[in-house]
Amino acid sequence: GESVGLHLPTLSVQEGDNSIINCAYSNSASDYFIWYKQESGKGPQFIIDIRSNMDKRQGQRVTVLLNKTVKHLSLQIAATQPGDSAVYFCAEAYSGNTPLVFGKGTRLSVIA
Amino acid sequence: GAVVSQHPSRVICKSGTSVKIECRSLDFQATTMFWYRQFPKQSLMLMATSNEGSKATYEQGVEKDKFLINHASLTLSTLTVTSAHPEDSSFYICSARDVDLGDTQHFGDGTRLSIL
Repeated sequence: GESVGLHLPTLSVQEGDNSIINCAYSNSASDYFIWYKQESGKGPQFIIDIRSNMDKRQGQRVTVLLNKTVKHLSLQIAATQPGDSAVYFCAEAYSGNTPLVFGKGTRLSVIA
Repeated sequence: GAVVSQHPSRVICKSGTSVKIECRSLDFQATTMFWYRQFPKQSLMLMATSNEGSKATYEQGVEKDKFLINHASLTLSTLTVTSAHPEDSSFYICSARDVDLGDTQHFGDGTRLSIL
């Protein structure tokens, strides 16, 4: 199955605070997960990815956590900045060359 | 690296017109490209998988005769919306995978299609 959003949940955070965006994925066989950032009128921009043999991966200011038991993925953004305001999508795939299935998306609004 | 370019970025045309959208991988070769459609405030929906040198694979509910896909080279895939109608108005986005850089799919900046 796939997750298709009819409404985008919104997360509002103060500038400088940490943000946590959550995603529930649908396919227990998925072994590759990615977070994308999409700004208005643009295509998705890769943020960070993780494979199913890991439960945590860190990048610059971002951390992805994977809980395969409950099929849950989260994106943590440290010291959120106004430039982080965008819609964030999680995506899942079974091996890297299969099409991505996108989650509902969450709109992050950073309050200066 | 890994830049995907889409053209045009925006199209406004009359109902019944056919519109071609190009997706190019600028600095890498992509044997597989993907076409997505996104309606306002919604997620990306996969339309089809474009395979270089072979027929595209369409998702259930996507009309292959309406959305023609051609992937004639390792750097170019085209999506043609034939006889477009207002309900085809949407944001069309392509992605491509650089096999030399792992599994990451890189996206173009999309094409906003508006049918009057």
